[in-house]
Amino acid sequence: ILNVEQSPQSLHVQEGDSTNFTCSFPSSNFYALHWYRWETAKSPEALFVMTLNGDEKKKGRISATLNTKEGYSYLYIKGSQPEDSATYLCASLDQTGANNLFFGTGTRLTVIP
Amino acid sequence: KAGVTQTPRYLIKTRGQQVTLSCSPISGHRSVSWYQQTPGQGLQFLFEYFSETQRNKGNFPGRFSGRQFSNSRSEMNVSTLELGDSALYLCASSGTSGAYTQYFGPGTRLTVL
Repeated sequence: ILNVEQSPQSLHVQEGDSTNFTCSFPSSNFYALHWYRWETAKSPEALFVMTLNGDEKKKGRISATLNTKEGYSYLYIKGSQPEDSATYLCASLDQTGANNLFFGTGTRLTVIP
Repeated sequence: KAGVTQTPRYLIKTRGQQVTLSCSPISGHRSVSWYQQTPGQGLQFLFEYFSETQRNKGNFPGRFSGRQFSNSRSEMNVSTLELGDSALYLCASSGTSGAYTQYFGPGTRLTVL
């Protein structure tokens, strides 16, 4: 079992603000780090899969970085919009080669218009 | 390409009964993973099936079991239901390894009375 932690637990920002959240995971035997966005009453939507130390991924206004040596990843949202309101989950895998994601409890983002 | 489908979407059972949930993965995906989400908890890994074989199992009692068919569809069974089994059950399908994105279905909301 991997201990994956996310902070903060929840966040309220004004529309137009930029924000970021943190995901911490065990650095030993690291294999991959996933980010998901989960809106209420919908399925979790994949944002990024990151595997290499120093990886940076971008999708529109959302980007993520990965530091596998120290065991953390940051998710950034530039110019938050109300439609960005969701819970953002990260999940880590170790090197078992299987698909068992260990999820953090998420950061719940609310963007206030 | 059709997404991951889960049936039924909602289910109400009483303690002691058993239940079977179904998951149809994205065409071509051979891996199906199951997760449980209870209030206050993050998504917790139940098990993963790959090519009809259980590849990994989470820390759940033996009342939780699953299987996968040759067309990659998967079923999850919970026997002797307990109140604490009330949860959202999500399945996800993906390619071979953890470096691939997992695509989630809409979930089955199980209520045990």
